[in-house]
Amino acid sequence: NAGVTQTPKFRVLKTGQSMTLLCAQDMNHEYMYWYRQDPGMGLRLIHYSVGEGTTAKGEVPDGYNVSRLKKQNFLLGLESAAPSQTSVYFCASSYSIAEKLFFGSGTQLSVL
Amino acid sequence: GNSVTQMEGPVTLSEEAFLTINCTYTATGYPSLFWYVQYPGEGLQLLLKATKADDKGSNKGFEATYRKETTSFHLEKGSVQVSDSAVYFCALSGTNFGNEKLTFGTGTRLTIIP
Repeated sequence: NAGVTQTPKFRVLKTGQSMTLLCAQDMNHEYMYWYRQDPGMGLRLIHYSVGEGTTAKGEVPDGYNVSRLKKQNFLLGLESAAPSQTSVYFCASSYSIAEKLFFGSGTQLSVL
Repeated sequence: GNSVTQMEGPVTLSEEAFLTINCTYTATGYPSLFWYVQYPGEGLQLLLKATKADDKGSNKGFEATYRKETTSFHLEKGSVQVSDSAVYFCALSGTNFGNEKLTFGTGTRLTIIP
């Protein structure tokens, strides 16, 4: 049982480059989330989805886009990377609002 | 909106000491409350949860009680071990359509010294 899988695990970008982070879950969860984790800031929600074909903004959505074309996948895109987007990114999923989140192992992104 | 205020870290304790990490919250409606733990190099994983007032969540010797009157969900353990060294996050769930996201505290880093 894979749970939540994030790819890639590490990535280094130059300012202005673009990339897509992939999150896949095999638990048939409706809700999926993208967070970023920075020292002293805890977890901040970037975007989330409450079902296939839906997306919504979180606390820090600027500079990111997302898509949920298939229920099991949630993609996070950076169109023009900036050094301020250097962070650890976590994807998570859950069955419903009040149920626990299952987290992926994270993507360490550095933007130079 | 919903918010979580968590005890600032880092916290350093000796093995077998008593642990308390404070967490208070502000929320509309009746959220569920959670404690998540993050070990080095890993994602977060659920430690325990409580879904209504006066519920006590427990797991691996950790406990927390949902106190609606004080809007608190403090994490406690009677005797900590070196393996408990991690970052602990308090969180509360969304409560209704249009407010689906989980709100996290900033995390408390715990280090246990042998």
